[in-house]
This record gives sequence, structure tokens and C-alpha cells, in this order.
Amino acid sequence: QLQLQESGPGLVKPSETLSLTCTVSGGAISNSFYYWGWIRQPPGKGLEWIGIIYYSGATHYNPSLKSRVTISVDTSNNQFSLNVTSVTATDTAMYYCARRCRSSSGCFDYWGQGTLVAVSS
Amino acid sequence: QSALTQPRSVSGSPGQSVTISCTGTSSDVGDYNYVSWYQQHPGQAPKLMIYDVTKRPSGVPDRFSGSKSGNTASLTISGLLAEDEADYYCCSYAGTYTFPHHKIFGGGTTLTVL
Repeated sequence: QLQLQESGPGLVKPSETLSLTCTVSGGAISNSFYYWGWIRQPPGKGLEWIGIIYYSGATHYNPSLKSRVTISVDTSNNQFSLNVTSVTATDTAMYYCARRCRSSSGCFDYWGQGTLVAVSS
Repeated sequence: QSALTQPRSVSGSPGQSVTISCTGTSSDVGDYNYVSWYQQHPGQAPKLMIYDVTKRPSGVPDRFSGSKSGNTASLTISGLLAEDEADYYCCSYAGTYTFPHHKIFGGGTTLTVL
């Protein structure tokens, strides 16, 4: 059974960089059928698509976040990561990593449990 | 692009049917059959319930069904059960030439089973 697990600091200071890692188990991140992605959810609010990455390193980002977001992949450790620079309080959210469906719709069929990141001094 | 528009809340009694709407534009919902729906219980990660407008992943009960007309997609839950009480989010492909994989979500709908 595929499992994804987010990890990283739960508290980040304003203007600093938020860094999270997603570890995939039960399947290879280098499987050519899938992209891997990040989605976030501010407390009490809706979901926001951040971006996706292919095992080759090809990335696609949300236009509204593109200038501050980097997603990278480490196939040797079956992990992919998220960096968000110059964070503010509006970046406070539950961050989820997920596997994108094989379907062209780009849905997400497996999700991590999420990790809460607060931006505060 | 703006978030897709969903009603803030809907409710129904056990055994009844409810429909949750998701309204976008001709650039997203209306232009592609790439709408998905997620169920989220409090404190849990979202769960995929419907993809490609009408398809159900393995293990999702056939009480859940999806449809689309023009710029509005809908999720219908029939034979409501108490366990269906959750937040539901729609999601649509909204890609452009510059951002070919972009997706947008709806604001979410809270389903209450009375």
C-alpha cells in the first residue's frame, strides 16, 4: 500500500524559508506513470494546489506562488521536497503531499496525513 | 484564476440525496472533463471520491456520483449515511499555455447529515 509522509519544522519565522520533505513508501517515486505534488490548506479554509514534480525533475507550479516555490525530487531516497521562500503569516497552513492520478485530470489519489506549518516570530 | 464556487453548506436526512454544485468558467470546468471531488473529515487528509467528472476510484461507494453541465459540475450523494458528514471540495483542471498543469479548487462545502 502506497504511503506518503510529510516532515519538517512546524514553525517558521516570517521572511524565512519553509522546507518540507515527503517520503514515499510502498512504491517507487520513479514510476513513470505519476507526478507527485503539494497542496496546502490554511486553517479553516479551502485547498490550494501548489505544484507537482515528475521523477525526472520536471516541475509545474501554481502561477500565484511560482516566484517563491521550488519543488525538488530525490529518487535515491524516494522523497520529494517543497521550499517556499519569504514566508508570511498567509503561508500558515496544513501542507499535504500527494500522488497525482494517472488520469489526465491530474487528481490526487494518495495523500499524506499533512503537516501543520505556522509562520510566526 | 479564482477559486471555484461551491455552496458553503448543504444538509440532508439519512437516506435522502443531496447535490453539491461547483461553478467555474469556460476556461476551467466548462472547457475540460477534468473535475474531481474530495471528501475531508475533520482532522484528516482529503480523499478522492470522483475524478474525470463521473469516475469513481476503487472502493468509493456508488452512492457517490458526478456530473457536469456547462460551467457547473455537481456531486450527488444518494442514500445519505451519517458517515457522509464531511467537507467536500471540487477541483478542476485550469491549465494554460504557460501553466499547462494548473489546478484550482472550490472553497468547500460542509455536508451535515441531520
